[in-house]
Amino acid sequence: EVQLVESGGGLVQPGGSLRLSCAASGFIFSSYWMSWVRQAPGKGLEWVASIDHFGSEKYYVDSVKGRFTISRDNAKNSLYLQMSSLRAEDTAVYYCAKVYVVPAALDYWGQGTLVTVSS
Amino acid sequence: QSALTQPASVSGSPGQSITISCTGTSSDVGGFNYVSWYQQHPGKAPKLMIYDVSNRPSGLSHRFSGSKSGNTASLTISGLQAEDEADYYCSSYTTGRTLFGGGTKLTVL
Repeated sequence: EVQLVESGGGLVQPGGSLRLSCAASGFIFSSYWMSWVRQAPGKGLEWVASIDHFGSEKYYVDSVKGRFTISRDNAKNSLYLQMSSLRAEDTAVYYCAKVYVVPAALDYWGQGTLVTVSS
Repeated sequence: QSALTQPASVSGSPGQSITISCTGTSSDVGGFNYVSWYQQHPGKAPKLMIYDVSNRPSGLSHRFSGSKSGNTASLTISGLQAEDEADYYCSSYTTGRTLFGGGTKLTVL
């Protein structure tokens, strides 16, 4: 059974940093692209970033470029999102998702981790 | 303002069919056959319903179908059931990124 379990969310002050993790199981993690998608409270979905199988190709939404870094450790079956210079508008539930068909179909999603940016 | 435009809400009675539209541009929806649709129930993670415009993931009900004409993609749900009541999001690939629509709330009357 495919499982994606996010962790690392919490309350952080504006300008602060946070590292999200996603533990994957039930599939060959190193064979799939992975993505992060976020959802602000009561709002719609927003794609944040994607990474290829090897971690060499990375793509970001414009609003997080230079502040967020997506990475992965295939030996640990884990996906990460390093977030810095956080802003109030980054407040959201962050989902880790497996890419079913490149470039953008996401077939398995975690339950999400809430990031709240507030003073 | 979302990059892809969806109606805020649609409704239908059990057994009926409904269609949700998703309008983009020639740089996204119209330029690639990479449109996906997701269903999201309150408090739950999204679920992939359609990918690459019209393909269903294995095991998904045939009541869900997708299509595209020009810069507009559509999701059709036939034989509406109470459990179909949810939010639906379209997404499209564009060069180097993925766009989502603002979401459509489906109410089953």
